Amino acid sequence: SSDLTQESAVSVALGQTVRITCQGDSLGTYYPSWYQQKPGQAPLLVMYDKNIRPSGIPDRFSGSKSGNTASLTITGAQAEDEADYYCNSRDNSGKHLYVFGPGTKVTVL
Amino acid sequence: QVQLVQSGAEVKKPGSSVKLSCKASGGTFSSFGVSWVRQAPGQGLEWMGGIIPMFDTKEYGQKFQDRMTIVADESSNTVYMELTTLGSEDTAMYYCARVSQWSDTGDWFDPWGQGTLVIVSS
Repeated sequence: SSDLTQESAVSVALGQTVRITCQGDSLGTYYPSWYQQKPGQAPLLVMYDKNIRPSGIPDRFSGSKSGNTASLTITGAQAEDEADYYCNSRDNSGKHLYVFGPGTKVTVL
Repeated sequence: QVQLVQSGAEVKKPGSSVKLSCKASGGTFSSFGVSWVRQAPGQGLEWMGGIIPMFDTKEYGQKFQDRMTIVADESSNTVYMELTTLGSEDTAMYYCARVSQWSDTGDWFDPWGQGTLVIVSS
């Protein structure tokens, strides 16, 4: 299956740590990319390939992967981190076909 | 720093077609891919299809392959996406994104265009 699964919603107290997971068969082959989307905005890349943070993304964001499960962790969550987070991966076809996870709504309390 | 600039909002009748554009500003697509991703109101992101303009290679999601066409005009650094036989379920924000596809361990979408709202209504 090429489907990716994510928690639908998580909450975190201001300054605490939250981990979002993404699970799927294709993650046994590929690292996912992660996107932050705030209301009314286009998605923003926050993690990619071997857990690399793009320039400008705070270092409180980190990524990991083990087997078919990947995680995006926010250490010391800030109010501005409240957003929807989506993982994305190539599928296992060998072609450049992609699938997004359903998204996780992160609420910072 | 390349930015992707998309065409303006569209209102279409059911059964009609829509053609959207995505222009690279401040650079070219070079060997990157360009994908189209849509988001229905209140819903998640859905990958539709993509193209590598330099090689004119295209991939379409199974759901869209019968009614979606992506073309690239390298001379104007613009990628176009046409979706035919529109229904109300095609009402969505449509994004283009540049895709980095050279890593063996994963691809990524960056940057993204600002999005084009397509409303399908009679």
